[in-house]
Amino acid sequence: KAGVTQTPRYLIKTRGQQVTLSCSPISGHRSVSWYQQTPGQGLQFLFEYFSETQRNKGNFPGRFSGRQFSNSRSEMNVSTLELGDSALYLCASSLGRDQPQHFGDGTRLSIL
Amino acid sequence: DAKTTQPPSMDCAEGRAANLPCNHSTISGNEYVYWYRQIHSQGPQYIIHGLKNNETNEMASLIITEDRKSSTLILPHATLRDTAVYYCIVRRRDDKIIFGKGTRLHILP
Repeated sequence: KAGVTQTPRYLIKTRGQQVTLSCSPISGHRSVSWYQQTPGQGLQFLFEYFSETQRNKGNFPGRFSGRQFSNSRSEMNVSTLELGDSALYLCASSLGRDQPQHFGDGTRLSIL
Repeated sequence: DAKTTQPPSMDCAEGRAANLPCNHSTISGNEYVYWYRQIHSQGPQYIIHGLKNNETNEMASLIITEDRKSSTLILPHATLRDTAVYYCIVRRRDDKIIFGKGTRLHILP
């Protein structure tokens, strides 16, 4: 069974640009969550989607947004990029609430 | 803030059992305890989870105290490949998932 796939693996952008990251969950998983990981703040929850609906949201500005498609694939978008957005962005999928989340290896975003 | 408290680092000799403690004194009755680990530059890997009873799988054992205020992850025969940051997570009722700083486990040859 294929794991969670995130694309691209690496991305370099400049301040003010926007970026879209993609996540394909494990087949049959309907819940997708996104996290940001930085050396200073650790792993921080961004948002969670289930059946195309955002079910939960972390404490990030509105520049961070996401969506989920009918096939459970998900995208997250960050607009007006700032230097502090440089991070590893991780996606995780699960069958549902109380079920283990399975993570991809992330997209490493660098802002110049 | 994370609902769990873990020691920042631990050492364990290769071949010995690694026992990683986690304190979650404010856990609610319907919240599960999950353990993940993260090897450098990879996404976190699910290890095990439990509600009340002790659990065991091919990777590890999870021991939860009777009052559920703490738990211990046991890696029975640690190898160098077990060197990682280990996260203990409690799933809150409002569905937010909060990672703490975890325990950096060093396996010594």
